[in-house]
Amino acid sequence: GNSVTQMEGPVTLSEEAFLTINCTYTATGYPSLFWYVQYPGEGLQLLLKATKADDKGSNKGFEATYRKETTSFHLEKGSVQVSDSAVYFCALRTAGGGNKLTFGTGTQLKVEL
Amino acid sequence: DTAVSQTPKYLVTQMGNDKSIKCEQNLGHDTMYWYKQDSKKFLKIMFSYNNKELIINETVPNRFSPKSPDKAHLNLHINSLELGDSAVYFCASSQDLGDRNSPLHFGNGTRLTVT
Repeated sequence: GNSVTQMEGPVTLSEEAFLTINCTYTATGYPSLFWYVQYPGEGLQLLLKATKADDKGSNKGFEATYRKETTSFHLEKGSVQVSDSAVYFCALRTAGGGNKLTFGTGTQLKVEL
Repeated sequence: DTAVSQTPKYLVTQMGNDKSIKCEQNLGHDTMYWYKQDSKKFLKIMFSYNNKELIINETVPNRFSPKSPDKAHLNLHINSLELGDSAVYFCASSQDLGDRNSPLHFGNGTRLTVT
């Protein structure tokens, strides 16, 4: 089956620090990969996606590269802000099996001044 | 305009009661979902519907009954509520069931508290 493993949080950083949140996956079939963000009290918003190997998804200064050889999709940002404090979810979707989105456990990011 | 809207936002009720959560999407999507998020933020799919047809039922107790009157609506009815049902329930939609590249669009969630 499909599964996603994320690094455990919380991750606490100072403003302007470099961020990496690790994500690895196992999938039956060829997955598309996604990062979602959940701000406190809100629903999930799509942050970025990549649909094939070596694709790089990017949005709002965040980036992630689809690495098929290491089955990874790590999220990075060069300089975090307090407003980036949220929970980040890595997810994948394959054809078949109802095309459901399978999530990792989420990583909470706290950015302090 | 809100793309995926759920009501109510908060629901507090007692054990044994029956309650419903409503979801509507105005994106013209074919597929809708219910996800449950537990207290540790873990997200697990419960159901998916494609054009009013049930596609996924992830071993959810039969106290939970989804209903899709049309492809823009997917409601969730819960009978005989239990303490363990306390969670945040998210509705979502996507363009095409068969397209793995199509992201899901989520509502803002319904926080259910069973006392």
